[in-house]
Amino acid sequence: DVKVTQSSRYLVKRTGEKVFLECVQDMDHENMFWYRQDPGLGLRLIYFSYDVKMKEKGDIPEGYSVSREKKERFSLILESASTNQTSMYLCASNKSNQPQHFGDGTRLSIL
Amino acid sequence: GEDVEQSLFLSVREGDSSVINCTYTDSSSTYLYWYKQEPGAGLQLLTYIFSNMDMKQDQRLTVLLNKKDKHLSLRIADTQTGDSAIYFCAESFMNSGYSTLTFGKGTMLLVSP
Repeated sequence: DVKVTQSSRYLVKRTGEKVFLECVQDMDHENMFWYRQDPGLGLRLIYFSYDVKMKEKGDIPEGYSVSREKKERFSLILESASTNQTSMYLCASNKSNQPQHFGDGTRLSIL
Repeated sequence: GEDVEQSLFLSVREGDSSVINCTYTDSSSTYLYWYKQEPGAGLQLLTYIFSNMDMKQDQRLTVLLNKKDKHLSLRIADTQTGDSAIYFCAESFMNSGYSTLTFGKGTMLLVSP
């Protein structure tokens, strides 16, 4: 079974803090994705990575960066957290032309 | 750009069939997907269909694809209270040469006893 693990289910941070969200997959998938999910807006793609050290912007990359130093790990970084980044963050991974598999999500609150 | 539309809400009684509809815009999509999200959880892959197929059946789930009208539907037979969740339709498309997904906003299915 595919396992995508997000390090935290719930996280509370303060405005201006640097925030790291971690995601690990154990299926040797080359592609990894970060989405945010907001009520009424569905899932929106922030960044994705198709290989180690490679990254591509999604639909809403502003205010975020990512890091992929190892194939199994994809980190989402909020350089200076703001209240409008309060959201549910979902990580996913896949091999090319196969379905994406999702983690359980991290509910992030920025105070 | 790519757009996926779904109705926001569906309410059915236990034992009835549920039909969730979706329209998409990218005629070059190779795969179309249905995901289920239970409260507080991530997305669970339910089923998917290749774009050259018209129908796919998997136990209680039937997916119908009308490529001409760019219309996708998910039918759940004998709907149970455990089927209450949000259902997302997604289409694949090429983004910078790589395949990514565009999701609809989700349909909340409420099953009453």
